[in-house]
Amino acid sequence: SQTIHQWPATLVQPVGSPLSLECTVEGTSNPNLYWYRQAAGRGLQLLFYSVGIGQISSEVPQNLSASRPQDRQFILSSKKLLLSDSGFYLCAWSPPIQGLSPLHFGNGTRLTVT
Amino acid sequence: GDSVTQMEGPVTLSEEAFLTINCTYTATGYPSLFWYVQYPGEGLQLLLKATKADDKGSNKGFEATYRKETTSFHLEKGSVQVSDSAVYFCALILTGGGNKLTFGTGTQLKVEL
Repeated sequence: SQTIHQWPATLVQPVGSPLSLECTVEGTSNPNLYWYRQAAGRGLQLLFYSVGIGQISSEVPQNLSASRPQDRQFILSSKKLLLSDSGFYLCAWSPPIQGLSPLHFGNGTRLTVT
Repeated sequence: GDSVTQMEGPVTLSEEAFLTINCTYTATGYPSLFWYVQYPGEGLQLLLKATKADDKGSNKGFEATYRKETTSFHLEKGSVQVSDSAVYFCALILTGGGNKLTFGTGTQLKVEL
């Protein structure tokens, strides 16, 4: 069966420090991968999605970037964190097929920028 | 653009009460519709889905019917339990939309004894 791992679960970082959140998927090949952010009191915002190694689409301009160095690895990064980067970050995957398949989410990383 | 609108929360109910969480959507095409649930401190889990008009998705006592004429996908449960306390998200995916989910803002449900 397929599983998705996301870490760390919580993170407290000072303003201006770098960020690296990692997500890996097991049990499937060539998945679509996604990073979402859930800010306090707000809904879920799609940040990045990827349909293959090295293929990243950014949905909103921001202080963050994403990379996919391996088929089942998706990394969210920042060179210098802002206070507004605080939130709950969720990685998700879906099968590599055309069509309307649901996304499967990791347990999330709660980031607090101080 | 495509969007999902949910009723604002929190919704507070007594155990065994009837639940309705409203969800309406705007889409340029013909979407598939989903409800996700997020328990405290966790990620999102798919609760149910419907892919065409008049389809009814159901799971764990929850139901939602895809109503194309009213562009709605309201979530219902006949008798809620304390363990149903969570945040519920309505979402859609459009054909040709790159399999990207568009979410509503979420509705927090609190069930009390």
